[in-house]
Amino acid sequence: DVKVTQSSRYLVKRTGEKVFLECVQDMDHENMFWYRQDPGLGLRLIYFSYDVKMKEKGDIPEGYSVSREKKERFSLILESASTNQTSMYLCASSSGRAEQYFGPGTRLTVT
Amino acid sequence: QKEVEQDPGPLSVPEGAIVSLNCTYSNSAFQYFMWYRQYSRKGPELLMYTYSSGNKEDGRFTAQVDKSSKYISLFIRDSQPSDSATYLCAMSGTGGFKTIFGAGTRLFVKA
Repeated sequence: DVKVTQSSRYLVKRTGEKVFLECVQDMDHENMFWYRQDPGLGLRLIYFSYDVKMKEKGDIPEGYSVSREKKERFSLILESASTNQTSMYLCASSSGRAEQYFGPGTRLTVT
Repeated sequence: QKEVEQDPGPLSVPEGAIVSLNCTYSNSAFQYFMWYRQYSRKGPELLMYTYSSGNKEDGRFTAQVDKSSKYISLFIRDSQPSDSATYLCAMSGTGGFKTIFGAGTRLFVKA
């Protein structure tokens, strides 16, 4: 059974803190993605990676960075958390252009 | 104008009804058309995908793509309370791995 796991389901951080969100997939997929999901706005792509150490900016990369040192692991970093980064963060992986497999999500609250 | 438009609902139907969910899009380069289902507090899961135009059926679910009208649909026959979820349409082209998601339609099926 395919699996994408995320390091935390719920996270509460203070403004200005550095936040790490980690995602691991066990399907040997080349592509990995980070999205945020907000009511009425749907899923918006933050960053994606199509290979180890490769990354591409998505639609809303400001305030975020990513790291992919190993094929199965893709980390999202909030350099200095702000309240407008309170959201649901979803990681996904894929081997092609159609199917993406999502993790359960991390609900991040920044106070 | 958003690249993908989807009515957020909510859509409430009685058990056994036929449900029709729709999306319109503006980018004629899209070739892959997907439908995801997302239960509350979970990540999206892929229901079906179609390449280019036409219909695809899987059990109670039928996906239709009309590229001339830039319109896609998901039909659910004999809807069940367990179908209550948010349904997201998604699309991608052949030039890269980026997928554009609709905002999602929230569906309630009443027993």
